[in-house]
Amino acid sequence: DVKVTQSSRYLVKRTGEKVFLECVQDMDHENMFWYRQDPGLGLRLIYFSYDVKMKEKGDIPEGYSVSREKKERFSLILESASTNQTSMYLCASSAYKGLTYEQYFGPGTRLTVT
Amino acid sequence: KNQVEQSPQSLIILEGKNCTLQCNYTVSPFSNLRWYKQDTGRGPVSLTIMTFSENTKSNGRYTATLDADTKQSSLHITASQLSDSASYICVVIPQRAGANNLFFGTGTRLTVIP
Repeated sequence: DVKVTQSSRYLVKRTGEKVFLECVQDMDHENMFWYRQDPGLGLRLIYFSYDVKMKEKGDIPEGYSVSREKKERFSLILESASTNQTSMYLCASSAYKGLTYEQYFGPGTRLTVT
Repeated sequence: KNQVEQSPQSLIILEGKNCTLQCNYTVSPFSNLRWYKQDTGRGPVSLTIMTFSENTKSNGRYTATLDADTKQSSLHITASQLSDSASYICVVIPQRAGANNLFFGTGTRLTVIP
């Protein structure tokens, strides 16, 4: 079974703090993703990485950065947290299987910025 | 405009009853369509994956149907249980898509009451 784990289930931070969200997958997948999920908006892609040290911006990268130093680990960084970054953050990894990419999600981190 | 629209936004049903959730999409041409189940505070988990050539796919009490001509999919839940209470997300993947090209619906929130 694919396992995608995230470092925290719940996190409360203050405005202006630097925040690190960690994600680890154990299936040697090339692709890893960070999404945020807000009511009525669904999942929106923040950043995507297709290999170590490689990254691509998603739909909403502003205010975020990422790091992928090892294949199994993908970190999301909020340089200076703001209240509008309060959200559910989901990490995912994927691999090509059959005719398509199969994507597996982590349990999510509920971040509150006060 | 979102290319994947789900209805209803929310639904409450009695335990033991059946229900059907709808997904309409405009993504074209598409490669495959997926339904995910997301329990409250958890990451999405895949229920079914259908290619454009498939009409139906079952996973226990969950049956997904696909009409590629009308660009509609439905998820039918039979003999609902309290544990079916969750959000159900429809995801459409275009043909020749990269790993990051997924179109997410905003989900249907299902509540099953005793």
